[in-house]
Amino acid sequence: DAGVIQSPRHEVTEMGQEVTLRCKPISGHDYLFWYRQTMMRGLELLIYFNNNVPIDDSGMPEDRFSAKMPNASFSTLKIQPSEPRDSAVYFCASSSNSNQPQHFGDGTRLSIL
Amino acid sequence: SQKIEQNSEALNIQEGKTATLTCNYTNYSPAYLQWYRQDPGRGPVFLLLIRENEKEKRKERLKVTFDTTLKQSLFHITASQPADSATYLCALGGTGNQFYFGTGTSLTVIP
Repeated sequence: DAGVIQSPRHEVTEMGQEVTLRCKPISGHDYLFWYRQTMMRGLELLIYFNNNVPIDDSGMPEDRFSAKMPNASFSTLKIQPSEPRDSAVYFCASSSNSNQPQHFGDGTRLSIL
Repeated sequence: SQKIEQNSEALNIQEGKTATLTCNYTNYSPAYLQWYRQDPGRGPVFLLLIRENEKEKRKERLKVTFDTTLKQSLFHITASQPADSATYLCALGGTGNQFYFGTGTSLTVIP
């Protein structure tokens, strides 16, 4: 059974550019989470969806960040315009229920120059 | 706001010994607590879940305790092996669908 799939694995771009991160959750999982991980702040929840509907986006740092889930098998996290302080590893995770273990992808390492 | 603290320093232990990792929290009453393992360049992998009404949970060489009075969870790896070297994260969850991760503890098991 395939796990959570994220793409790209690495992204290097110049500040001001638009960045789109992609995630395919595990089939049948109703919850999808986007996290950001840095050395300073650890793993931070940005937003999560239940049945494709955004439930809590209080962790989204600012309006430059947006996330969508057009269907049960795909989600995107977009940063526009990107800034150097957005450099981090972004993880997507999915779970069958809100209090069940989360299954993580291997992340997208984002570097904004 | 809630605060989760894990061992601030990296933990180095000798192979065969028991590793004990600590997760302390404040300003929160979690309904459950989870432990994850993270290897370099990979996403966290779930290990164990323990609920607020459970004192202890075991899985093979792993043991987790949960003390809601002390607001603390301990994670033990017995008969540690070099392959256990990784970063271990605790995560708290509540009835309100909120979920918070600690910053993790780096464990190195020395052969």
